[in-house]
Amino acid sequence: GAGVSQTPSNKVTEKGKYVELRCDPISGHTALYWYRQSLGQGPEFLIYFQGTGAADDSGLPNDRFFAVRPEGSVSTLKIQRTERGDSAVYLCASSLYKDEVTQYFGPGTRLLVL
Amino acid sequence: GNSVTQMEGPVTLSEEAFLTINCTYTATGYPSLFWYVQYPGEGLQLLLKATKADDKGSNKGFEATYRKETTSFHLEKGSVQVSDSAVYFCALRNSGAGSYQLTFGKGTKLSVIP
Repeated sequence: GAGVSQTPSNKVTEKGKYVELRCDPISGHTALYWYRQSLGQGPEFLIYFQGTGAADDSGLPNDRFFAVRPEGSVSTLKIQRTERGDSAVYLCASSLYKDEVTQYFGPGTRLLVL
Repeated sequence: GNSVTQMEGPVTLSEEAFLTINCTYTATGYPSLFWYVQYPGEGLQLLLKATKADDKGSNKGFEATYRKETTSFHLEKGSVQVSDSAVYFCALRNSGAGSYQLTFGKGTKLSVIP
């Protein structure tokens, strides 16, 4: 079946601009996660959704970052006033339910802020 | 807090050599442990997992045993192939309510030469 998909695959923007990154989880998966992977590092947790609500947003670095999942499926990560330090690969993962230990990752969106 | 420490890379091996990538962790409670693999140009894929002490995860000739006494989850393969060239990430997911995100190590790049 279809895996987790993310769009766009690459995004280049200028410092100060607003960007939206989209994640389409595996159909039927209720839990959705966003991670950020900087060059040479492992992924770092940003936010977790169970259904429509953000159950844990403790990994968001500051209030420029926001994410939504209005219908409990597709999620959008929004970054305002982008900074060069936001350049990274943004990964989305989903799992069937919150207690399912296995998370399935999408291919990521590579964000470059000039 | 939770943390994962992996051996520094890169690691370069000849085909058919024995592979060990060390991973140790710090966590409260009883975490589940994972190895994820990232092949060139691809997304993160789950390689194997273990959910309790003394469990052995295995897949594609790779193995790792959950050692609670040494807080380790070392990855091993008896005979590597060129196609195993990738970045390997050790990760943990803690138990308990609200502990759903994965904590990753920095990754170990493996290159296998013919």
